[in-house]
Amino acid sequence: DTAVSQTPKYLVTQMGNDKSIKCEQNLGHDTMYWYKQDSKKFLKIMFSYNNKELIINETVPNRFSPKSPDKAHLNLHINSLELGDSAVYFCASSHQRGPQETQYFGPGTRLLVL
Amino acid sequence: GQNIDQPTEMTATEGAIVQINCTYQTSGFNGLFWYQQHAGEAPTFLSYNVLDGLEEKGRFSSFLSRSKGYSYLLLKELQMKDSASYLCAVRVGGYQKVTFGTGTKLQVIP
Repeated sequence: DTAVSQTPKYLVTQMGNDKSIKCEQNLGHDTMYWYKQDSKKFLKIMFSYNNKELIINETVPNRFSPKSPDKAHLNLHINSLELGDSAVYFCASSHQRGPQETQYFGPGTRLLVL
Repeated sequence: GQNIDQPTEMTATEGAIVQINCTYQTSGFNGLFWYQQHAGEAPTFLSYNVLDGLEEKGRFSSFLSRSKGYSYLLLKELQMKDSASYLCAVRVGGYQKVTFGTGTKLQVIP
């Protein structure tokens, strides 16, 4: 019954490594997002895809590369991890059809770079 | 860009009423959301305003004044489980780009 799921839930890795986070939604939504929430709890959008097309690409280092194989999945690959990448990464999804469409968030992936 | 301001922390007593304010400066305003986020969990949707006025949903109400760039979330009959962060978020433009404020951490005390 999980609406938006993410794997892994926790990720501890060394600086310089490459890692991926996966997200899947079973709500039939056409838009998916990646957010980063830092230690001060500030939630900032990174990317958004609509029907597998990139529509929002905030100022994010190009070490971060999103990939959307289909409408239900949005993955995030991070190259050459840095200490500052430590944060909670939330995936979210929504419809884009109306003004009141809210976003549903996944449980988050807690990334710690050592 | 967007600038969204909320108080960092608030404390209120169980059973009381608390109002959490949010002010914003943005162009292309297209709606304001309130989300609740318990510690260690994901944000969950509480309310949405796009027109001026008050939207009521049970114990929670949200108000918007577009001319003043101001919103508030009103929580009535506070319960201990209402202790959480409350995030104000503004949508700009036609796409689903939503910018979040830094959140207000509410502590409900007995």
